[in-house]
Amino acid sequence: DAGVTQSPTHLIKTRGQQVTLRCSPKSGHDTVSWYQQALGQGPQFIFQYYEEEERQRGNFPDRFSGHQFPNYSSELNVNALLLGDSALYLCASSARPGQGYTQYFGPGTRLTVL
Amino acid sequence: AQSVTQLGSHVSVSEGALVLLRCNYSSSVPPYLFWYVQYPNQGLQLLLKYTSAATLVKGINGFEAEFKKSETSFHLTKPSAHMSDAAEYFCAVQAQFYFGTGTSLTVIP
Repeated sequence: DAGVTQSPTHLIKTRGQQVTLRCSPKSGHDTVSWYQQALGQGPQFIFQYYEEEERQRGNFPDRFSGHQFPNYSSELNVNALLLGDSALYLCASSARPGQGYTQYFGPGTRLTVL
Repeated sequence: AQSVTQLGSHVSVSEGALVLLRCNYSSSVPPYLFWYVQYPNQGLQLLLKYTSAATLVKGINGFEAEFKKSETSFHLTKPSAHMSDAAEYFCAVQAQFYFGTGTSLTVIP
């Protein structure tokens, strides 16, 4: 049973560019959440997708957008990259979006913005 | 609003000693609480979660945590530290949208 997978593993971009990160949820899960983890910090919630719609959003600007596909996989897009966007981006999936449902995390994508 | 505070960004213990990692939460509703562990260059792995069924929660790798409503705490403990326990530990509240800043555990041989 495959767990949560993310691609790519590492990514290097320059300021102003755009980036797309991808996530495939754990088998049987239909809810995907994205987190940003800066170096030495805890994960910060970006948004959650369920039934192909953004259900909840954290305190992130509109430069951060996402999408969920019919097969429940998801993308995170970041436009106009800033140096401060450099971080580990984590995807997590769960069986449902409600509270108490355990989230299973992928290994993350390390984004470096130069 | 919900939030968590992890006291102590770094904790060092000797191998075989008690591990105690502190987490205090703030929640206007009965919370769901979680502890995750993160090894270097890896994602987060769930250690245990509290969902009001029992105040003492047992998790993987010998870890447990006790929910104390009167103290708004959910501290993580392990009776005897092992070298493999060295990692970053995160407390999270509610539907995991709120994570603490983490505690780095070092185990001294």
